[in-house]
Amino acid sequence: EDQVTQSPEALRLQEGESSSLNCSYTVSGLRGLFWYRQDPGKGPEFLFTLYSAGEEKEKERLKATLTKKESFLHITAPKPEDSATYLCAVQAGDSWGKLQFGAGTQVVVTP
Amino acid sequence: GAVVSQHPSWVICKSGTSVKIECRSLDFQATTMFWYRQFPKQSLMLMATSNEGSKATYEQGVEKDKFLINHASLTLSTLTVTSAHPEDSSFYICSAEQGATPYEQYFGPGTRLTVT
Repeated sequence: EDQVTQSPEALRLQEGESSSLNCSYTVSGLRGLFWYRQDPGKGPEFLFTLYSAGEEKEKERLKATLTKKESFLHITAPKPEDSATYLCAVQAGDSWGKLQFGAGTQVVVTP
Repeated sequence: GAVVSQHPSWVICKSGTSVKIECRSLDFQATTMFWYRQFPKQSLMLMATSNEGSKATYEQGVEKDKFLINHASLTLSTLTVTSAHPEDSSFYICSAEQGATPYEQYFGPGTRLTVT
């Protein structure tokens, strides 16, 4: 059975204090791994898609990496506006596009 | 690009009535749309997959007669919660798969449903 586990559940950072979020997964035939950001009361905002091990993508202070078993979302020198819940999701090759989400990591960045 | 809208953003209805939620892809055509619900402090739970011109596919445990899904065009899918009860109160979110960039799904802003 496909599984997605995110850690830590919550992360409190000082502004400028870099850190990493983890998403470990087991899936039959990974089609893609997705990172989203969700603010309270809003829908998830697309950040990255990673398709194969070794792939990396960057967007402003965020960098996502992928191995065969896990993905990391690195937040470099975070700002308070980076506070959000970060969701990881996987799409299996036989899933007809369905995403399976992890529970998310709630990040709070204090000034 | 890749904008998905939902309407309404919030709705309050009385127990026993039906509520329709619309999901639109504004700047792309979406052959496939998905409907999720999210409870407070929890992650997204897939309810159903909606394909244009065909019947929706529901996840195990989701009542297809209660949550009616129609995907009438390549830019519009609707979710109707029939005979709503307080336990149906939740945050409903749709997503659309953009065919131009394989496999990427873009989410709407969500609809907060409260059943009194």
